[in-house]
Amino acid sequence: AQKVTQAQTEISVVEKEDVTLDCVYETRDTTYYLFWYKQPPSGELVFLIRRNSFDEQNEISGRYSWNFQKSTSSFNFTITASQVVDSAVYFCALRTGFQKLVFGTGTRLLVSP
Amino acid sequence: KAGVTQTPRYLIKTRGQQVTLSCSPISGHRSVSWYQQTPGQGLQFLFEYFSETQRNKGNFPGRFSGRQFSNSRSEMNVSTLELGDSALYLCASSETVDSRDYYYEQYFGPGTRLTVT
Repeated sequence: AQKVTQAQTEISVVEKEDVTLDCVYETRDTTYYLFWYKQPPSGELVFLIRRNSFDEQNEISGRYSWNFQKSTSSFNFTITASQVVDSAVYFCALRTGFQKLVFGTGTRLLVSP
Repeated sequence: KAGVTQTPRYLIKTRGQQVTLSCSPISGHRSVSWYQQTPGQGLQFLFEYFSETQRNKGNFPGRFSGRQFSNSRSEMNVSTLELGDSALYLCASSETVDSRDYYYEQYFGPGTRLTVT
């Protein structure tokens, strides 16, 4: 069975701090895809990144970076120099084959000015 | 390209009624999925359609049904509404090259917030 765990329910930081959101996944499949989504207060889920199980390269996109480690089944997301606009709920998700996309419970990030 | 659109955005219904929600995917996307989001249960998968065929179904009662049309637009229906059906219903579409599209990211619409009284 597939499972995604986001142990951090809520994180509060002050603007310009760096913050890391943890994601741990479980699957027996060797081919799988991991995703991060952002859900701002407006409610719409915004796609951030996709990573497949064969590509362990870390990725950086502006202030965002992702650390994928198969050895620990983790796909962590770091925001550098956080901004108020980063305040949202962030979801990690996993999909294998034609199985449904499974989401974690989300981490609510609150960035204060 | 226009994003995923969902109508209506807000809906208030009474217990026992039925409701139909509509979703228009991004142009060219043939895969459409539906999710229910509640504070208690989080994001839960309802069903997925590809080329008018239901490819996957979540663990929801038969009161929840859906369909996809030839233009990839999709509808979901909930019959005999219960208070617990109050939720944000999200539709997502993804690009497909062929039927093996599981690796593509899904793009979500703004959702339909359903309140059952």
